[in-house]
Amino acid sequence: DTEVTQTPKHLVMGMTNKKSLKCEQHMGHRAMYWYKQKAKKPPELMFVYSYEKLSINESVPSRFSPECPNSSLLNLHLHALQPEDSALYLCASSQEDYNSYEQYFGPGTRLTVT
Amino acid sequence: GQNIDQPTEMTATEGAIVQINCTYQTSGFNGLFWYQQHAGEAPTFLSYNVLDGLEEKGRFSSFLSRSKGYSYLLLKELQMKDSASYLCAVRDSNYQLIWGAGTKLIIKP
Repeated sequence: DTEVTQTPKHLVMGMTNKKSLKCEQHMGHRAMYWYKQKAKKPPELMFVYSYEKLSINESVPSRFSPECPNSSLLNLHLHALQPEDSALYLCASSQEDYNSYEQYFGPGTRLTVT
Repeated sequence: GQNIDQPTEMTATEGAIVQINCTYQTSGFNGLFWYQQHAGEAPTFLSYNVLDGLEEKGRFSSFLSRSKGYSYLLLKELQMKDSASYLCAVRDSNYQLIWGAGTKLIIKP
């Protein structure tokens, strides 16, 4: 299984809503990532989890809250988002964040904030 | 600052060869990656270079010159399905991936 899955595929939420994005991989990877990607821009790193611990937070606003319940799952909790947060949110995983050279990406969640 | 440059857009003909260049200026170097991304889809890994030289993988090849801070992705026998964005990314001394803005490749029949 070389797949990273993400749910939901599409999400529309209001600025007062609370929602969560989910990511799952069963490749035994120990590093998982959240990226945000705007149209015609490269992916922008948000968070890195290594061995289920948050290792990198790229100064992301607190309205985004990551969670890694176990080595296969990664969540991104959303609260009080702004319309400019509308983007494609990508989850990725790799064997380890320093030694591995390949990140596997999930299909992404297309988020629209109204 | 850290910077990766690649052309914004390129056009090529089906069956032809195209070379997408990438130049980088980063704090340290621990490998260069090429990813392909179709519109609305996630990036998929194409190649990885950490030593100078050419890495060939089927129709795709990637070249690296660390002294020049330069890489290229070579696509041969172009097919319509190769129409996509091609992202160059460099891993710096802190093992952080620095992404280029991507090159949109348009293939014409």
